[in-house]
Amino acid sequence: SQTIHQWPATLVQPVGSPLSLECTVEGTSNPNLYWYRQAAGRGLQLLFYSVGIGQISSEVPQNLSASRPQDRQFILSSKKLLLSDSGFYLCAWSKQGIRLEQYFGPGTRLTVT
Amino acid sequence: AQSVTQLGSHVSVSEGALVLLRCNYSSSVPPYLFWYVQYPNQGLQLLLKYTSAATLVKGINGFEAEFKKSETSFHLTKPSAHMSDAAEYFCAVSDLGNAGGTSYGKLTFGQGTILTVHP
Repeated sequence: SQTIHQWPATLVQPVGSPLSLECTVEGTSNPNLYWYRQAAGRGLQLLFYSVGIGQISSEVPQNLSASRPQDRQFILSSKKLLLSDSGFYLCAWSKQGIRLEQYFGPGTRLTVT
Repeated sequence: AQSVTQLGSHVSVSEGALVLLRCNYSSSVPPYLFWYVQYPNQGLQLLLKYTSAATLVKGINGFEAEFKKSETSFHLTKPSAHMSDAAEYFCAVSDLGNAGGTSYGKLTFGQGTILTVHP
């Protein structure tokens, strides 16, 4: 069976500091990978999407970047955090294709102080 | 682009009562629809999905949803609420995104409904 891991589970970082969140998927190969952010009362915002190693796309310009160095590893980064980057970050995967369900990781709670 | 609207950001029921969470969709193509549940400080868990087969879809934890094309609805129900059902519920529709000129499959989520269950 497939599992998805995220770490760290919680993180408190000062404004202006760097960020690195990691997501890994087990039990599948060549998945689509996604990063979402949940801010309080604002639903789910898709940040990045990846169909393969090194292939990252973003629909929303922001202070964040993403990388996929390995098939089942997805990293969310920032060089300098803003207060507005606070939120709950979720990684998800799906099989290749369209109209497919996504499976979510446990999330990382980021607080920027 | 496809969209979903969840009617009611908060729903409160008594334990043992019927749970009804409303979702209406807008889609230019036959939709694939999903319900997810999120417990506090956890990720989203897939409850059920509609993929154009049976219009009544049964999911986990006793939940079910009925696809009604004439009403563009996909409401989630459970006959008898348990305290453990207290969570936030998200309706989602399959969609096609475009990033940097590349099309890809994505899900478009509603704003969520927080379900509270009273003893």
